[in-house]
Amino acid sequence: EDKVVQSPLSLVVHEGDTVTLNCSYEVTNFRSLLWYKQEKKAPTFLFMLTSSGIEKKSGRLSSILDKKELFSILNITATQTGDSAVYLCAVDYRAQKLVFGQGTRLTINP
Amino acid sequence: NAGVTQTPKFQVLKTGQSMTLQCAQDMNHEYMSWYRQDPGMGLRLIHYSVGAGITDQGEVPNGYNVSRSTTEDFPLRLLSAAPSQTSVYFCASSYGAPGDTQYFGPGTRLTVL
Repeated sequence: EDKVVQSPLSLVVHEGDTVTLNCSYEVTNFRSLLWYKQEKKAPTFLFMLTSSGIEKKSGRLSSILDKKELFSILNITATQTGDSAVYLCAVDYRAQKLVFGQGTRLTINP
Repeated sequence: NAGVTQTPKFQVLKTGQSMTLQCAQDMNHEYMSWYRQDPGMGLRLIHYSVGAGITDQGEVPNGYNVSRSTTEDFPLRLLSAAPSQTSVYFCASSYGAPGDTQYFGPGTRLTVL
């Protein structure tokens, strides 16, 4: 059975801290791994990773994939209250079929 | 360019009622999907379509029907609503090529009493 597991499920930090969110997967026919940010409504796309060891960066966010150990991490540096959200990891395993992890609820306190 | 739109935003049904959740996209995407999201869980795939006239089941298809008569529209039908179908429903679309990104609609919050 294809599955994606995220950890931690919940994380509370202070503004300015650096956080690392984890995503491990067991999926046949891996095509890509995606990170989404979900605030109150629909998930919004952050990163797509297809190759091991190549870091993707966008401002204070970065992510990397390890296809040998079957995991990915999402880093957020110098966190801000606007980073508070649920972060979803998903794996695309066949023709845009995604399997999602449970999500990590990140809360940034001022 | 409206992207992916969903109607209604909120709906309350009684057990046994049927209804259709609407999804439309104006990006000429071939691939469309329906997901449900329950509290504390990620999204789970209900049904998906790789083009007009072609649909297939996802992870949790029971109690739902879909059809895809046009590229733009992908309605989700609840045949006989049950309290277990209380959830937030998201529609998504993409071109479907490797490396392509799925774009999500704003969601429909459904409550079944």
